[in-house]
Amino acid sequence: SQKIEQNSEALNIQEGKTATLTCNYTNYSPAYLQWYRQDPGRGPVFLLLIRENEKEKRKERLKVTFDTTLKQSLFHITASQPADSATYLCALRGAGGFKTIFGAGTRLFVKA
Amino acid sequence: DGGITQSPKYLFRKEGQNVTLSCEQNLNHDAMYWYRQDPGQGLRLIYYSQIVNDFQKGDIAEGYSVSREKKESFPLTVTSAQKNPTAFYLCASSIDRDNEQFFGPGTRLTVL
Repeated sequence: SQKIEQNSEALNIQEGKTATLTCNYTNYSPAYLQWYRQDPGRGPVFLLLIRENEKEKRKERLKVTFDTTLKQSLFHITASQPADSATYLCALRGAGGFKTIFGAGTRLFVKA
Repeated sequence: DGGITQSPKYLFRKEGQNVTLSCEQNLNHDAMYWYRQDPGQGLRLIYYSQIVNDFQKGDIAEGYSVSREKKESFPLTVTSAQKNPTAFYLCASSIDRDNEQFFGPGTRLTVL
């Protein structure tokens, strides 16, 4: 069955460092992959979308890579700040179809 | 301000009761979605609507019902047939199924 895996352990890093979060998937051929941020008790907020024919995408301090051979996406936050502390969700969608599959998310803590 | 709203924020239900969760958007989006989020799990799709008067079941539609009589509104009814309804419910919309989703603030439903 289709599966998305994100590190269930929280990631703790020091302010100013680069945070790297991983999203692995199996039994799936996504047309595109998205990353969302979710704060406790709130709805997710869209951050970045990367398509299967793109290797990398950047937006301000955020960078996403997408390796369809490894079936993996990496999400980087450079110069991290305490305000970046949140849960980050990876989501995949295949070509055609309407269903987006979400990972359980990785909790990031940035310490000042 | 354009956005997507959900009400109520908190909802308590007695066993055997049906309850309806509201979702409204003024983004002029065609597609709308309902998800359920449980601790440690990814978002799971309950129902999806691509256009007015049309909707499709997601992965966990049993015990739920929806309607899409207006483009702006996509209410979800949690029926007494849903055996474990306590969860955080999220509504989302998108321009179409190929673009990112905008989420509402969520409704936390607790069955007493």
